Amino acid sequence: AQKVTQAQTEISVVEKEDVTLDCVYETRDTTYYLFWYKQPPSGELVFLIRRNSFDEQNEISGRYSWNFQKSTSSFNFTITASQVVDSAVYFCALSGTSYGKLTFGQGTILTVHP
Amino acid sequence: KAGVTQTPRYLIKTRGQQVTLSCSPISGHRSVSWYQQTPGQGLQFLFEYFSETQRNKGNFPGRFSGRQFSNSRSEMNVSTLELGDSALYLCASQLGGQRGEQYFGPGTRLTVT
Repeated sequence: AQKVTQAQTEISVVEKEDVTLDCVYETRDTTYYLFWYKQPPSGELVFLIRRNSFDEQNEISGRYSWNFQKSTSSFNFTITASQVVDSAVYFCALSGTSYGKLTFGQGTILTVHP
Repeated sequence: KAGVTQTPRYLIKTRGQQVTLSCSPISGHRSVSWYQQTPGQGLQFLFEYFSETQRNKGNFPGRFSGRQFSNSRSEMNVSTLELGDSALYLCASQLGGQRGEQYFGPGTRLTVT
């Protein structure tokens, strides 16, 4: 069975602070993909990044960066210089050999205060 | 390219009734997955369709069913609604149904009274 755990239920920061969202996963699949999605108050899940299990390179996209460590089964997400518009629920997800199925973590509610 | 669309956006039904939700995927995407989102259980996978065939199913009772049409549009049906079926139902599409990224629609908010 697959499992994704996001340890932080809620995080509150002040604008311009850096914030890291933790994600730990469990899977028996040797090939798998990891994802991060953002869910703003409107409800629609917005795709942020996909990482496959063979690619442990960190990735940076603007203020966003992701750290994938297979040895610790973690795929953490950092927002640098957070902004109010970053306020949302963030989900980490895992896809293995099962067609069309994403296994999601419980989500982390991020609130960025001005 | 237009995104994933879902109709209706909001729905109020009475316990015991049935409901049909619709999802139109991104043009060219042949795989459609459905998820239920509730405060207690989070995001849970319902089923996935590809080329009109259900390839995968989550752990939901038989009251939850779906289908996909030749134009890749998909519908899900919930019969004999229960109060616990109140949720946000999200549809997602992807190109081929392997392990690519899924693109989500805005969801249908179902309230069962």
